[in-house]
Amino acid sequence: DGGITQSPKYLFRKEGQNVTLSCEQNLNHDAMYWYRQDPGQGLRLIYYSQIVNDFQKGDIAEGYSVSREKKESFPLTVTSAQKNPTAFYLCASSIWQGGKNIQYFGAGTRLSVL
Amino acid sequence: AQKVTQAQTEISVVEKEDVTLDCVYETRDTTYYLFWYKQPPSGELVFLIRRNSFDEQNEISGRYSWNFQKSTSSFNFTITASQVVDSAVYFCALGKGGATNKLIFGTGTLLAVQP
Repeated sequence: DGGITQSPKYLFRKEGQNVTLSCEQNLNHDAMYWYRQDPGQGLRLIYYSQIVNDFQKGDIAEGYSVSREKKESFPLTVTSAQKNPTAFYLCASSIWQGGKNIQYFGAGTRLSVL
Repeated sequence: AQKVTQAQTEISVVEKEDVTLDCVYETRDTTYYLFWYKQPPSGELVFLIRRNSFDEQNEISGRYSWNFQKSTSSFNFTITASQVVDSAVYFCALGKGGATNKLIFGTGTLLAVQP
């Protein structure tokens, strides 16, 4: 089945540790996105990528890093510089086709700090 | 600046009641797109509808309907004869469109449908 797969579903980070969240899509979508969701808040954009080997910062990129070496994959690293990493992280992908561009989302990764 | 406001934080209804979720947006763009997503307890956001700024025609899909009014910058969502399965957080979002459709999300409305 085509879709967006995020792993792991739950992740725990120790103080000072970097952790990487995986996002893979087999929809042949060009663009991919990472959002952060905190309780009672909407989704906020962390990073996005339009094509392979290119990505741009979103509204809250500090403390995060990404890579886009393959079209299908857009991993997010939460670095030790991110002081409040506990949140729900959602990955999305989209394609500009027929004048439409709709983002489709994965099931998310819930990150907690030990 | 672009902004989306969903003033209703939580709504509770009894099954079979109709319910309207409000969405008000701000943008200076003449071309823009509005979206509604559903987030069930599982967490994944499910796409419901996309509307562009040039199309003010209301849309109906089964028990769901959307009312887009540019004059009041609103894009409201109505569920008719609500069901327990409609219980979720609903997000309204605004985008500029184009090859990379960066979205601005509202804070969401938690809808609880009681049996």
